[in-house]
Amino acid sequence: QQQVKQSPQSLIVQKGGISIINCAYENTAFDYFPWYQQFPGKGPALLIAIRPDVSEKKEGRFTISFNKSAKQFSLHIMDSQPGDSATYFCAASTTDSWGKLQFGAGTQVVVTP
Amino acid sequence: DAGVTQSPTHLIKTRGQQVTLRCSPKSGHDTVSWYQQALGQGPQFIFQYYEEEERQRGNFPDRFSGHQFPNYSSELNVNALLLGDSALYLCASSTTGAGNTIYFGEGSWLTVV
Repeated sequence: QQQVKQSPQSLIVQKGGISIINCAYENTAFDYFPWYQQFPGKGPALLIAIRPDVSEKKEGRFTISFNKSAKQFSLHIMDSQPGDSATYFCAASTTDSWGKLQFGAGTQVVVTP
Repeated sequence: DAGVTQSPTHLIKTRGQQVTLRCSPKSGHDTVSWYQQALGQGPQFIFQYYEEEERQRGNFPDRFSGHQFPNYSSELNVNALLLGDSALYLCASSTTGAGNTIYFGEGSWLTVV
């Protein structure tokens, strides 16, 4: 079964708007939550990652919000740009199983000019 | 500094055949993982190699096997190909130890006809 559930499947946002993608997990042993960005024909590239000891992490226009009690985390893309149009995947892993990432199904983001 | 490199980029095989995919990890990386990404889905973990041994394995049948060489490069072998094996196969590398960034290659597209 899918251990990480991601929504929405796709979203369209205007340039300058905010894109929000949500993920939920069941395994409380997960202690590493990365987000990957994938362009067509390319492999996934690490965007930003968070551990459960913090509730928020910001890097440039990208912010992860983490709610440990709800077992949910989300990616916010501020001031969305056409170059941000890509598929975004949330993932989760445990320290004991480092490198074994459990991915969500992905969200296709389209930023319109 | 070359990142994770994979070959071949694309290939077409017939049902029942065998295929070998190759991966060279990023310079300095000693751990290699393989993922299968079906069209429109998130990557699924196949297995991970470290010190030339399989360290972790996902929920894939024994038709999927691998190898890691002394120079840390790796091969993924799939026997008795099925139509459902058609996917993008991704190689990921990192240095061993939790917390180290995992880098993905651009993948090998396998089509089984």
